[in-house]
Amino acid sequence: QQQVKQSPQSLIVQKGGISIINCAYENTAFDYFPWYQQFPGKGPALLIAIRPDVSEKKEGRFTISFNKSAKQFSLHIMDSQPGDSATYFCAATGAGGTSYGKLTFGQGTILTVHP
Amino acid sequence: NAGVTQTPKFRVLKTGQSMTLLCAQDMNHEYMYWYRQDPGMGLRLIHYSVGEGTTAKGEVPDGYNVSRLKKQNFLLGLESAAPSQTSVYFCASRGVVYNEQFFGPGTRLTVL
Repeated sequence: QQQVKQSPQSLIVQKGGISIINCAYENTAFDYFPWYQQFPGKGPALLIAIRPDVSEKKEGRFTISFNKSAKQFSLHIMDSQPGDSATYFCAATGAGGTSYGKLTFGQGTILTVHP
Repeated sequence: NAGVTQTPKFRVLKTGQSMTLLCAQDMNHEYMYWYRQDPGMGLRLIHYSVGEGTTAKGEVPDGYNVSRLKKQNFLLGLESAAPSQTSVYFCASRGVVYNEQFFGPGTRLTVL
């Protein structure tokens, strides 16, 4: 059962445009929502993360928007650059000691930014 | 400080063969994880460990075994490889306090 659903599967954006990737989750016990960026041949690396007590978090050109009532969160990449071309994964993990930080990942979005 | 390293980087097996993937971390992290990545399915947790000598099943544990004899190492074993285990395998680790998981570079495994 896929508890975190991510869309779109692939996204093509022109340089300077805005890239938007969406995720929806089912488990209301999730309380930490990271986004990971993965370049070909590399392991995923943490890009930005949010907790449900805030509706938005911004770090440079990257912003997470969070809608707790709808159980949705999204990644916005402003002024997209060719160097942003990568696969992006949303993820979620639960609260409490027994979660041990186990991440549930979305399916991934392949982002291509054309120059 | 190498972070998380994985050995080997690539491997081709025949059906029924066995192998062990090694993950090592030098960040003194308590938690370690093994994921597999398949197209269109994201990363799925195979097994994880919350400390030396402890292991637990994740989302897709069948066909795999793990061991954590030393805090810095987490081994993933395939006793009898099947074509369905063709995948890219990632190891990750994190500390107890902070949420960030650090991933290794991955092992690409092909089972013929």
